[in-house]
Amino acid sequence: QKEVEQDPGPLSVPEGAIVSLNCTYSNSAFQYFMWYRQYSRKGPELLMYTYSSGNKEDGRFTAQVDKSSKYISLFIRDSQPSDSATYLCAMSGNTGKLIFGQGTTLQVKP
Amino acid sequence: DTEVTQTPKHLVMGMTNKKSLKCEQHMGHRAMYWYKQKAKKPPELMFVYSYEKLSINESVPSRFSPECPNSSLLNLHLHALQPEDSALYLCASSQGGGAGHRDTQYFGPGTRLTVL
Repeated sequence: QKEVEQDPGPLSVPEGAIVSLNCTYSNSAFQYFMWYRQYSRKGPELLMYTYSSGNKEDGRFTAQVDKSSKYISLFIRDSQPSDSATYLCAMSGNTGKLIFGQGTTLQVKP
Repeated sequence: DTEVTQTPKHLVMGMTNKKSLKCEQHMGHRAMYWYKQKAKKPPELMFVYSYEKLSINESVPSRFSPECPNSSLLNLHLHALQPEDSALYLCASSQGGGAGHRDTQYFGPGTRLTVL
């Protein structure tokens, strides 16, 4: 079993839809949770960072962490074609070493 | 400014060539990382430098040789690579070398390497 599980998709939604991306994990030592967005043939771009449980909002993006369920989510409101990319969840414990999910490919259709 | 720069953007090399990838950051970050990413896969950690010292080597073959000349620069020297080493090579940096908000990693755009 992988330490971090993420459905690779692809996920296709119409423009304006609410998108929900999720990861589950098995290591209870993880405390730091990140979402990266990666456009094709580019480097990952940090979108959201969350420490421990709770919600964090930044514009159209909301990150949620539920440590009791070992489950994290990224919601994108009013999705745009420019949101079409691969979304990678990543997490770390005290080592600082990032453990990535497989990435979910999102396509937002105009 | 959270910019990490990498050169070159693209590199094509033969199996007998020697080449180097370069990474630079001017954010005052003290940890720098090399990752390898194959198509449709997440980045795989190769090396970590913390305060200019190699702190993690993820059992990477010796044909990859990292170097950290100073706190802003990170090189990856390549020699006698194999076609299966073709990938996107990503550099990242973070404020510190441990865990926490200071250690959020910021990635460069990558070097796309093709080994013929």
